[in-house]
Amino acid sequence: AQSVTQPDIHITVSEGASLELRCNYSYGATPYLFWYVQSPGQGLQLLLKYFSGDTLVQGIKGFEAEFKRSQSSFNLRKPSVHWSDAAEYFCAVGTSNFGNEKLTFGTGTRLTIIP
Amino acid sequence: DTAVSQTPKYLVTQMGNDKSIKCEQNLGHDTMYWYKQDSKKFLKIMFSYNNKELIINETVPNRFSPKSPDKAHLNLHINSLELGDSAVYFCASSLRDRSGEQYFGPGTRLTVT
Repeated sequence: AQSVTQPDIHITVSEGASLELRCNYSYGATPYLFWYVQSPGQGLQLLLKYFSGDTLVQGIKGFEAEFKRSQSSFNLRKPSVHWSDAAEYFCAVGTSNFGNEKLTFGTGTRLTIIP
Repeated sequence: DTAVSQTPKYLVTQMGNDKSIKCEQNLGHDTMYWYKQDSKKFLKIMFSYNNKELIINETVPNRFSPKSPDKAHLNLHINSLELGDSAVYFCASSLRDRSGEQYFGPGTRLTVT
């Protein structure tokens, strides 16, 4: 069965600093990978996705992620965080023939930004 | 121009009651989902419908019964509510293709007392 591990429960970074959120997945076939962000009291918004092709994918709000098959990882990065990036971040793997029917989520990483 | 909407936003009820949560999407998607987010923020899929047909049914107590009257609506009815049902329930929708992302509603916070 597929699974997603986000090893960091909570990360604190200074505004303007770089950010990397870790995600490791377990899935037997080619994974479909997603990063979602959840602001307090809100639903989830897709930041970026990987289906195939270029392993470095660009997303919204200046985020990017790199798929590394050899490490079963899909880490999220941003070169310079803004206070508005404070939120909960979820990595997910999509399974099924269409890749997006069933999302299995990690437990999330809470990001705090300090001035 | 709300994409995925849920009603109600908050629901407080007593154990043993029956309640429903409604979800509507105006994105023209053909697939809709219900997720449960527990107090530790863990998100788990419960059900998925494609064109009104149930395609995913995770291990969920049969007190939970989804109903999809048409492609744009997916409701969740819960019988005999228990304390452990307290959570945030999210509806989502997507196109069932390789590029489709899931769009999430704002969530319904259910509190069972």
